[in-house]
Amino acid sequence: GAVVSQHPSWVICKSGTSVKIECRSLDFQATTMFWYRQFPKQSLMLMATSNEGSKATYEQGVEKDKFLINHASLTLSTLTVTSAHPEDSSFYICSASRAPRDEQYFGPGTRLTVT
Amino acid sequence: AQSVTQLDSQVPVFEEAPVELRCNYSSSVSVYLFWYVQYPNQGLQLLLKYLSGSTLVKGINGFEAEFNKSQTSFHLRKPSVHISDTAEYFCAVSFSGGYNKLIFGAGTRLAVHP
Repeated sequence: GAVVSQHPSWVICKSGTSVKIECRSLDFQATTMFWYRQFPKQSLMLMATSNEGSKATYEQGVEKDKFLINHASLTLSTLTVTSAHPEDSSFYICSASRAPRDEQYFGPGTRLTVT
Repeated sequence: AQSVTQLDSQVPVFEEAPVELRCNYSSSVSVYLFWYVQYPNQGLQLLLKYLSGSTLVKGINGFEAEFNKSQTSFHLRKPSVHISDTAEYFCAVSFSGGYNKLIFGAGTRLAVHP
């Protein structure tokens, strides 16, 4: 149990376009979902925390207008990278928790390449 | 400031040899401690966790870790590694008393050679 999926697993987009990444909890309801960004050979950096039905809380330095997060249901959160640029190319990983302080279960990640 | 330090960016080791991956943290409050493994192009998998109780924690795949409060360390060990253990290992700490707001270390690349 506690499986988290992400779609797509990889995406290539042109500079200036927007791309949406989905994060789904497949066998449990996730009150809280997290979005991380990982640069090559570096650690995960928390971008934002989202609770179902409310606005996401962004970490310092993360542009909320560029990285739009929606947690519309207990099984789905989306991250939309708006007007993507090559510097947004990265590995984006989501995680989900049954409750705000419960264990996080991680998705397999989405590799975004902006050309 | 609260932080997590993984002292080794890369650890090469021969198959069947023992290995220790080091993790230290800085905090003045109680912490939860975790070790995750990441295989290439995959998400993170939880190896083990320390929440409270016994300081020696056993996890999956034969790994174990020991919480040392006085040294603020949580080193990961395995007595005999396999080729399949080659991966990136991340130490993570929650300073807020739960699983949320995980702070990750920079990671240690474990390379097991035949």
